[in-house]
Amino acid sequence: QVLLVQSGPELKKPGASVKVSCKTFGYTFSTYGLSWVRQAPGQGLEWMGWISPFNGNANYTQSLQGRVTMTTDTSTSTAYMELRSLRSDDTAVYYCARRPPDGSGDYWGQGTLVTVSS
Amino acid sequence: DIQLTQSPSVLSAFVGDRVTITCRASQDIGSFLAWYQQKPGKAPNLLIYAASILQSGVPSRFSGRGSGTEFTLTIASLQPEDFATYYCQQLNRYPLTFGGGTKVEIK
Repeated sequence: QVLLVQSGPELKKPGASVKVSCKTFGYTFSTYGLSWVRQAPGQGLEWMGWISPFNGNANYTQSLQGRVTMTTDTSTSTAYMELRSLRSDDTAVYYCARRPPDGSGDYWGQGTLVTVSS
Repeated sequence: DIQLTQSPSVLSAFVGDRVTITCRASQDIGSFLAWYQQKPGKAPNLLIYAASILQSGVPSRFSGRGSGTEFTLTIASLQPEDFATYYCQQLNRYPLTFGGGTKVEIK
């Protein structure tokens, strides 16, 4: 069955970078996009962007442009999200989600808590 | 950016009630809307896509309607496992924004 498994929790200092992985199972990796969504504690969902493993094209939300990079490794069916220059308001649970053609998220990872604190 | 406004933000209901959540878009998004359910500490779960198409495996008591700027998610008969927070997401234009969420609580 389709499964997305994310890397473990991270504790980072302000100004540092974090790279979260999302390993996929159960489908042909290159045929679906991967989206990233984050959720600050007690808050709603924020779409961060998505990447096509087929051609590597990515689309990022404007507020994160310049700080976020999404990549994929087709040899291991894994997607990555790197966020740089971390601030306290980047503290959140970060989710990856498989992106079918309509753009929604039909299968989700379990989430990765990233805490930014000095 | 397209803004999505969900109402109500909190809904108290009994098991067995019929409940409806509304999602209004700040501009026409056609039928490019999805609905998700999220339980505490868990990832969101896709319920509806293309405004009205039930995702595989989702119970038929969930239904979605609407197009343009006004959309609804209805739960025909609320079950204990349905108490959760529900989000809409527009898929028409980047960035793909979410509504603020509707928490469905037990009355």
